[in-house]
Amino acid sequence: AQTVTQSQPEMSVQEAETVTLSCTYDTSESDYYLFWYKQPPSRQMILVIRQEAYKQQNATENRFSVNFQKAAKSFSLKISDSQLGDAAMYFCAYRSGYTNAGKSTFGDGTTLTVKP
Amino acid sequence: EAEVAQSPRYKITEKSQAVAFWCDPISGHATLYWYRQILGQGPELLVQFQDESVVDDSQLPKDRFSAERLKGVDSTLKIQPAELGDSAMYLCASSSRGGNLDTQYFGPGTRLTVL
Repeated sequence: AQTVTQSQPEMSVQEAETVTLSCTYDTSESDYYLFWYKQPPSRQMILVIRQEAYKQQNATENRFSVNFQKAAKSFSLKISDSQLGDAAMYFCAYRSGYTNAGKSTFGDGTTLTVKP
Repeated sequence: EAEVAQSPRYKITEKSQAVAFWCDPISGHATLYWYRQILGQGPELLVQFQDESVVDDSQLPKDRFSAERLKGVDSTLKIQPAELGDSAMYLCASSSRGGNLDTQYFGPGTRLTVL
């Protein structure tokens, strides 16, 4: 079974600075998909960014980018120019590429605080 | 913008009572997911529907939990009887086809407290 580990329960960043959230995963599969989700306090969880394992190029969405290291099974999220609205819990998630079920395995999350 | 609706938002019950949660996915979404999120942890999939059929319920405690999606649209998750350990956030999500790359859209959740 796949596992996802987020080793940083809490992180903080100064507004306008850059922060990196860590995620490692364990799998024996070669085809899979990785995701970062954001869960603001009392609001819906939303998708931030996704990465297909077969793509070597790191995904980027505006101020959010990932550093995908397949051999190391590492998938970190970098948030540039942090804003107060980035404060939330961030979850890393894994989906197998061998089933079509869309089942996600989540890490336990990192709470990000943004200081003004 | 279309959203996943869930009700109630909060539920307080006593142990051994029955509780039910409702979810209305985004219109046209064939796949519906129920997740349980214990405080301080990530969501864990309880059950996944493709239209009205169960695709995965391997983590659903079937002795007390049941889920249905009779017409392949909205869904109900029931717990009977509730136990103290069931206190958690119950999240519903939907996606268009349930593919590996499909975006899952989450509802606001139902926070259950069992006393």
